[in-house]
Formats: sequence, C-alpha cells, structure tokens
Amino acid sequence: GQNIDQPTEMTATEGAIVQINCTYQTSGFNGLFWYQQHAGEAPTFLSYNVLDGLEEKGRFSSFLSRSKGYSYLLLKELQMKDSASYLCAVLDSNYQLIWGAGTKLIIKP
Amino acid sequence: IAGITQAPTSQILAAGRRMTLRCTQDMRHNAMYWYRQDLGLGLRLIHYSNTAGTTGKGEVPDGYSVSRANTDDFPLTLASAVPSQTSVYFCASSDSGQSYNEQFFGPGTRLTVL
Repeated sequence: GQNIDQPTEMTATEGAIVQINCTYQTSGFNGLFWYQQHAGEAPTFLSYNVLDGLEEKGRFSSFLSRSKGYSYLLLKELQMKDSASYLCAVLDSNYQLIWGAGTKLIIKP
Repeated sequence: IAGITQAPTSQILAAGRRMTLRCTQDMRHNAMYWYRQDLGLGLRLIHYSNTAGTTGKGEVPDGYSVSRANTDDFPLTLASAVPSQTSVYFCASSDSGQSYNEQFFGPGTRLTVL
C-alpha cells in the first residue's frame, strides 16, 4: 500500500527554527509537494522537489532524499502566522497526489 | 471570479437526499480534482478529470459521481447521501493532469449528513 507519514503535531517558539519530517512509501515517485493549510482554509502550495537536495525559498526550505523516501520542510525565523498544518504529498506513478495527514504546527510567543 | 469557487460554503443534508457540490475555475486549467478531508486523515481523491469530457476514479469514488462538460466546471454529485459522507470537500485544479504543476484549491464545502 501507499503511505505518507508525518508527525501529528509540533510546537515551536516564535523566532526559532522548526523541521517537519515526512517519510513515504508509494508506487512510483514523480515528485514531492509541501502545502500549508491554515485552519478552516484551503491548502496552498509551498514547494516541490523531484531531485535530491535542498530547495530554498525565503524562510522556507524543503529537502528530498529519494533513496531514503524522506523529505523535510524547514521553517526559519518563525512567525505567529506560520501556525498552520503542513501537508506532505507525493505524486505517484499514476500522477495522482498521495497525501499525508498533515502536521499541525503550533507557534508560541 | 478569481481562481476557484465552490458552492455552497456549507450544507446540512438529510441522509438519502441527493446533493450536487459546484466547482468553477477561471484559470483555464485542464485538470480538476475533488478531494475529501477528514480529521486525522490526509486529503483523499474522489474523482478527477484530466481534460474536459473525461473523468476518472480516485481513491474513494463510491457514492459520488462527476461530470466535466466544459473546462471551467466540475460538479460533484452525491446520489443518496449517507452520514459517512460528512466531510470537508475541496475542489482543485492544475495546468496538467500529469502534473508537476501545483494544484490550486477552492475554499471548500463543509457537508454534514444527518
């Protein structure tokens, strides 16, 4: 079966750095996405990785290791508005997105 | 219209009733998707359409049907609603079905079936 694992919830302090991990086992791999979802809102795109390595985009970076079936999202200089759920999703061999359950990130002042 | 719209925003429905959730996009995207999101579970794909005139089944298609008569609209129909279909439903679109492109999501429809 296909499986995406992420921690259910994480807590971090404003101004700090947090790393959200995602491991996956899917039938095929055509890329990995990270989305942000604020409570009661729609998911919005953060990043896409298809090759191994780190992709940096402002305060957010995403890392991929295909051989390990592993990715992480790194958030720096945390702000209160970063409190949200972060969804990891893998594009499988049928080009369908398989979604993790999401990691709820709580930022404390 | 800018992006994707969904209607209604929320709905309470009696079991056994028929319901159509509407989704319209103005980005001229080829591909559209319907997901349901339940607490503790990831988004699950119900149906998708790679282009107008074609549709396909996702992970959880039973009890749902879709049509794609044109590029912009992708309605989802529950023929006879059951309580297990209580969920938040998101419509999404992307530039291509074989999509390395991001999916854009509508605001969602919160459906309660009693």
